[in-house]
Amino acid sequence: SQTIHQWPATLVQPVGSPLSLECTVEGTSNPNLYWYRQAAGRGLQLLFYSIGIDQISSEVPQNLSASRPQDRQFILSSKKLLLSDSGFYLCAWGTGQGVPEAFFGQGTRLTVV
Amino acid sequence: AQTVTQSQPEMSVQEAETVTLSCTYDTSESDYYLFWYKQPPSRQMILVIRQEAYKQQNATENRFSVNFQKAAKSFSLKISDSQLGDAAMYFCAYNQGAQKLVFGQGTRLTINP
Repeated sequence: SQTIHQWPATLVQPVGSPLSLECTVEGTSNPNLYWYRQAAGRGLQLLFYSIGIDQISSEVPQNLSASRPQDRQFILSSKKLLLSDSGFYLCAWGTGQGVPEAFFGQGTRLTVV
Repeated sequence: AQTVTQSQPEMSVQEAETVTLSCTYDTSESDYYLFWYKQPPSRQMILVIRQEAYKQQNATENRFSVNFQKAAKSFSLKISDSQLGDAAMYFCAYNQGAQKLVFGQGTRLTINP
């Protein structure tokens, strides 16, 4: 069965520091991969999605970037964090074969101080 | 752009009773998917139920069912025989292609014993 791993679970970083969040999927090949962000008390907002290695699309302009160096690995990065980057970040995956659901990781709570 | 609106920030229900969560959406598409996701205190997003827009029959999953009104662009979730484990944030979501989801603001559901 397919599983998704996301780490770390919690992260506290100072303003101006770099960021790297990692997500990996097991049990499937060539998944669609997504990064969503959830601000406090709000719904999720799509940040990036990828349909293949080195194929990244950005949904909103921001201080963040994403990379997909391997088929089942998706990384969210920043060179210099802002206070406004605080939030709950969720990685998700889906198939490209007529299954419309997204399946989510357990998320990373990022606090920028 | 598609939008999803959940007008009930909070709802509460007595254990074993029935509760309905509301959701409306806006789209010009004729074929799409709608979802309800549950986010318990662990923060992981769990798929509850999905509805294909081309299907007139309302989706049902055990105690969870939807009332899908395509012309009215309404998609409500009914939880029957509410259980303490149903307490969570519930998000309505629209699929705008692949697994690119647009989420509502969420409804916090409390179950009173």
